[in-house]
Amino acid sequence: EAGVAQSPRYKIIEKRQSVAFWCNPISGHATLYWYQQILGQGPKLLIQFQNNGVVDDSQLPKDRFSAERLKGVDSTLKIQPAKLEDSAVYLCASSLVGRDSRTDTQYFGPGTRLTVL
Amino acid sequence: DAKTTQPPSMDCAEGRAANLPCNHSTISGNEYVYWYRQIHSQGPQYIIHGLKNNETNEMASLIITEDRKSSTLILPHATLRDTAVYYCIVRVGNYGGATNKLIFGTGTLLAVQP
Repeated sequence: EAGVAQSPRYKIIEKRQSVAFWCNPISGHATLYWYQQILGQGPKLLIQFQNNGVVDDSQLPKDRFSAERLKGVDSTLKIQPAKLEDSAVYLCASSLVGRDSRTDTQYFGPGTRLTVL
Repeated sequence: DAKTTQPPSMDCAEGRAANLPCNHSTISGNEYVYWYRQIHSQGPQYIIHGLKNNETNEMASLIITEDRKSSTLILPHATLRDTAVYYCIVRVGNYGGATNKLIFGTGTLLAVQP
C-alpha cells in the first residue's frame, strides 16, 4: 500500500515570497492533516480536513496560510507572504475514519522542509 | 499543550531492551495513549496505542499502569535503526466528533549505542 506522498521535499524561498506544498493521502483515507514542525519541537496541527470540509483550523495563521482539499483527495497548503519564522518542516498525514474514531491512526508523509531566507 | 511528560533523552545498548517512560497523570477515562517515533528527516511513524490493557505488536510492547497515570514503551531488542525521537501522546478526540488531533510534546531522543 502506498503511503502519504508529499512534494516538494525541500524548498528555499526569500521572505515575502509565496510557496505551495502538495499532499496525496493514502487511498481511501477520509481525513487529512497538515502539521508544522519547527526545529527541536514536536509537530503542531495547522488544519484538519474531513473529506473536503475543514474540521479544525484553529492553529492556522489565516492571514498568510491557506489550505484546500478539492474533491476530498489531494490537498495543497499555501503560504503568502512567507516570513522567516515559517521555516519548518510541513508534514501531511491521513487517517481512515472508521466506526470508532477514537482508535483512528494517523499516517505521516516524509514532509517538506521549508527554508525562508 | 501536551498532556504527557517524557525524559528528554535516553541511551540504550544495541540488542538490549529499551524502556521509555511516559507520565500522563491527567488522562481521562476515554483517552488512549499513543506512541509515535520520528527518525531523523522522516515523518512520524505510528508504533502502538492502548487504552488500559497492555498491548504488543511486531514493533513494541506498551505497558499501562493500572491507574493509567503512566506508561512504558518497550522495544525488546533495540537496534541502531531504532535511534529516533519517541513521542507519547494522549489522544484528544470524541467518537464522531469534530477533531481527533494529536498533540505532540518534545518527546524522548533514544540513542541506541553499538
